Amino acid sequence: DAKTTQPPSMDCAEGRAANLPCNHSTISGNEYVYWYRQIHSQGPQYIIHGLKNNETNEMASLIITEDRKSSTLILPHATLRDTAVYYCIVRVLGSGGSNYKLTFGKGTLLTVNP
Amino acid sequence: NAGVTQTPKFQVLKTGQSMTLQCAQDMNHEYMSWYRQDPGMGLRLIHYSVGAGITDQGEVPNGYNVSRSTTEDFPLRLLSAAPSQTSVYFCASKTLMSGELFFGEGSRLTVL
Repeated sequence: DAKTTQPPSMDCAEGRAANLPCNHSTISGNEYVYWYRQIHSQGPQYIIHGLKNNETNEMASLIITEDRKSSTLILPHATLRDTAVYYCIVRVLGSGGSNYKLTFGKGTLLTVNP
Repeated sequence: NAGVTQTPKFQVLKTGQSMTLQCAQDMNHEYMSWYRQDPGMGLRLIHYSVGAGITDQGEVPNGYNVSRSTTEDFPLRLLSAAPSQTSVYFCASKTLMSGELFFGEGSRLTVL
C-alpha cells in the first residue's frame, strides 16, 4: 500500500486559500487519494477523494498531479472553523487490502488565523 | 439521521476492571471498525468487521475483544483494563466497496 507524507503543520490567514500538500510517490494505478479532517476532539470527517482527475465539491478541491505522485487539497476561502488536522490517505477500493485496514497517519494541523 | 452512535462518551476505570464500549450505526453498513487515538498520534486500527459474524484484527488488537452479532452493532470489550488503554476510541462504518468512512463522536476512556 502506498504511504503518504504530509507536513506536520501549516498556517493560513482567514479568507485566504489553504493549500495542503500530500506526497504519495509509490501510489499504484488502482489506488485512490482520500482526504479527511478532524476538528479538535471530534471524529474524522470525509472531505473528498479522487483517482486521477481533479475533483471539487462544496467543501474543497483536490488537485492530483499528472504522474499521481502528489496531490493538493484546496480550501478556497479558509475560515476559523477549518482549523483541524487534515489526513491524506491512499487506498484501493473494493474488497480487502487497504480498503479494510484503513490507516491514518499524523496528518497536517492546519491553523487558520484571524 | 443518527449515523454512528458511541456510548459512553466518557468513562473512568480502575486497572483490571472490564467494560464494553458500544457502537451502533443505522446506515446498514457492512463494514465497521474501532480505532484508538492517543495524544499527538494518528488513528490506529484495533479491530474491524466486514459483516455479522466476521471480525478481524487491525494494527493494535491486543487487550481488546470484539464481536458482530448484528449489522448495526459492533461493541468493543476491554476484559482487564490497563493504564496503557487510556485513549480516545472512535467507531467508524462504511459500505464494503466504498472508501468513505463515517465516524462516531468518540469515547474518552481513562484507566487509573
